[in-house]
Amino acid sequence: DTGVSQNPRHKITKRGQNVTFRCDPISEHNRLYWYRQTLGQGPEFLTYFQNEAQLEKSRLLSDRFSAERPKGSFSTLEIQRTEQGDSAMYLCASSLVGQGFHAGNTIYFGEGSWLTVV
Amino acid sequence: AQSVTQLDSQVPVFEEAPVELRCNYSSSVSVYLFWYVQYPNQGLQLLLKYLSGSTLVESINGFEAEFNKSQTSFHLRKPSVHISDTAEYFCAVSVGGNTPLVFGKGTRLSVIA
Repeated sequence: DTGVSQNPRHKITKRGQNVTFRCDPISEHNRLYWYRQTLGQGPEFLTYFQNEAQLEKSRLLSDRFSAERPKGSFSTLEIQRTEQGDSAMYLCASSLVGQGFHAGNTIYFGEGSWLTVV
Repeated sequence: AQSVTQLDSQVPVFEEAPVELRCNYSSSVSVYLFWYVQYPNQGLQLLLKYLSGSTLVESINGFEAEFNKSQTSFHLRKPSVHISDTAEYFCAVSVGGNTPLVFGKGTRLSVIA
């Protein structure tokens, strides 16, 4: 169990450019979540997957944001035409559900990917 | 929709003093409650959780939290804090236990030597 891995850890980009973040969840975890966290705020839910199916998207996830989990393992979060307001830490998390009442209730977070849009 | 309110954005406390970080939630259905800790420039780590059973839950590093359904609260306490407890603490709620977590805005605990 190597934990949730995210990369890159830091990304500085110019406004208008596209960026992509990758998340590798804990092996065999079937749920994968994306959150966004700005300074002084708690994490805000963006979207989540169960296996390869995207089950829910927050209204925070504008048309410029797209997330995929093509094979039910790693996931990517792409932001197109970045804006300064997109500057934040993007957190990925994973969990295991469906195999026992308690097994599915702990969500493990990665260390996050910092995005700075200049 | 459920929401979480952390009443204090910052809590300074002297080393070895007790501390309480307050958390209230709003939900009309059964919820599961969590406290996460975030150290600078790191992701979130689960501190403790309430799913069912005993309303008092404990972590391995001396924190405890009590679920109070009538007051819709899940306050975090520690009888004696250490410098190493300095961090941001987030309360979170999940409806039914398998829905995405909804977080509060966090409380920054600063332990003063």
